[in-house]
Amino acid sequence: GAGVSQSPSNKVTEKGKDVELRCDPISGHTALYWYRQSLGQGLEFLIYFQGNSAPDKSGLPSDRFSAERTGGSVSTLTIQRTQQEDSAVYLCASSTTPGMLAKLFFGSGTQLSVL
Amino acid sequence: RKEVEQDPGPFNVPEGATVAFNCTYSNSASQSFFWYRQDCRKEPKLLMSVYSSGNEDGRFTAQLNRASQYISLLIRDSKLSDSATYLCVVNPNNAGNMLTFGGGTRLMVKP
Repeated sequence: GAGVSQSPSNKVTEKGKDVELRCDPISGHTALYWYRQSLGQGLEFLIYFQGNSAPDKSGLPSDRFSAERTGGSVSTLTIQRTQQEDSAVYLCASSTTPGMLAKLFFGSGTQLSVL
Repeated sequence: RKEVEQDPGPFNVPEGATVAFNCTYSNSASQSFFWYRQDCRKEPKLLMSVYSSGNEDGRFTAQLNRASQYISLLIRDSKLSDSATYLCVVNPNNAGNMLTFGGGTRLMVKP
């Protein structure tokens, strides 16, 4: 596709349920990021994948959060036993050049609402 | 102290005005700097990189002050379409995993 694709665009779930969010980065982009943005707040780093290197998981807020990236392309962010404070927009971004140039291309996000 | 700080605003300015935002960062070893723009309920998009010598792109000028550890964004001749949140991004090293976003500064340009 032309850009970063995220699905679903909206997800409403009940507290305690598990959810999976998907990110399809731009083809050829080796770097992939997940961020979280609560209403009116800045972006909170969650996890970073770069090529075949071990991911940087330092931003994951709890062990209920996990992410994987299969074949260096599509990534899935999983939140287990969702809580109301998990409600936010989850943004995925990819980049062809990690670090220095930091031209991140963002997807339109998944709006997660935990009732 | 937050690693990257911005005045959240909002900055309310009339069309045609010149407006400037600053962004301070705490890591003096930071290597690269960027401004992103985020429209309401949309994803962030890169506006411009910030180079040591300062750089200009049309009505937008970005500057870096390493001594005082801040970057700035100047918008001349503001347009209604400039209304958005401007995010400062700092990379303290050359690795991708350290990108840090500021909380953003909201700009509202009024007719």
